[in-house]
Amino acid sequence: DARVTQTPRHKVTEMGQEVTMRCQPILGHNTVFWYRQTMMQGLELLAYFRNRAPLDDSGMPKDRFSAEMPDATLATLKIQPSEPRDSAVYFCASGLDRSYEQYFGPGTRLTVT
Amino acid sequence: AQSVTQLGSHVSVSEGALVLLRCNYSSSVPPYLFWYVQYPNQGLQLLLKYTTGATLVKGINGFEAEFKKSETSFHLTKPSAHMSDAAEYFCAVSDGSGGYQKVTFGTGTKLQVIP
Repeated sequence: DARVTQTPRHKVTEMGQEVTMRCQPILGHNTVFWYRQTMMQGLELLAYFRNRAPLDDSGMPKDRFSAEMPDATLATLKIQPSEPRDSAVYFCASGLDRSYEQYFGPGTRLTVT
Repeated sequence: AQSVTQLGSHVSVSEGALVLLRCNYSSSVPPYLFWYVQYPNQGLQLLLKYTTGATLVKGINGFEAEFKKSETSFHLTKPSAHMSDAAEYFCAVSDGSGGYQKVTFGTGTKLQVIP
C-alpha cells in the first residue's frame, strides 16, 4: 500500500529555531505539493514541484521558508527562523502530472512557542 | 481564476439520515472537481472526482456527487449516514490555470453524525 510519508509527525520548537520537515512521495510520482493548514486560513498551497523542479512557490513566505527536492524520493520544507505564526499542520502531497489526484501524507504538526 | 465555495462549515445529521454537503465552484473553463475527506489527525483522502463524461460520480464509502454545469455545483450526498462518516469534507476545483494541476480547496465542512 503506497503512501506518502512525512517526518516528524509532531515538532515543538522555540521561536527563532530552524525547522526542517521531510516528505517521501509515493514511488513513481513526479509532482509534489506542500500545503499548510490552519483553523483561520484553511488549506494553503505553499509550493509545487514537478520532476523535482520548483514551478510555483508563490504561496510561500520567501524570507523564511524554503522548499527543495534533493532527489526524487525526498522533499524538504525549511523554516528559518521560525515564528509563532508558523504554527500549523504542514502536509505534503504527491501525484502524477497527467492526473489531478493528489495523495496526502499524514502531516507534520508544528508548534512554535 | 478558479474558486470553490462550501456552504456550511458545520453540518449535523442523524445516523441513517441523508447527507448533503454543498459545493459551488467558479471556473473559466470546464473544471475538474473533487471531494476529499479528512479524518482527525490525518491527511486528506480522495473520495471522488469528476473530470469528463458522466455527471453523476460515485466514490468510496457510498458517497456520490453530481456535476451540474448550469448551477455550477458539485454537491456531495450519501443516502444513509454512518457514525464513521464523521469527518471534515473538502470540495476542490482545478481548471489547469497557471499551467499545471493546481487544485484550489474549499474551506471545508465538518460533518457530525448524531447517534
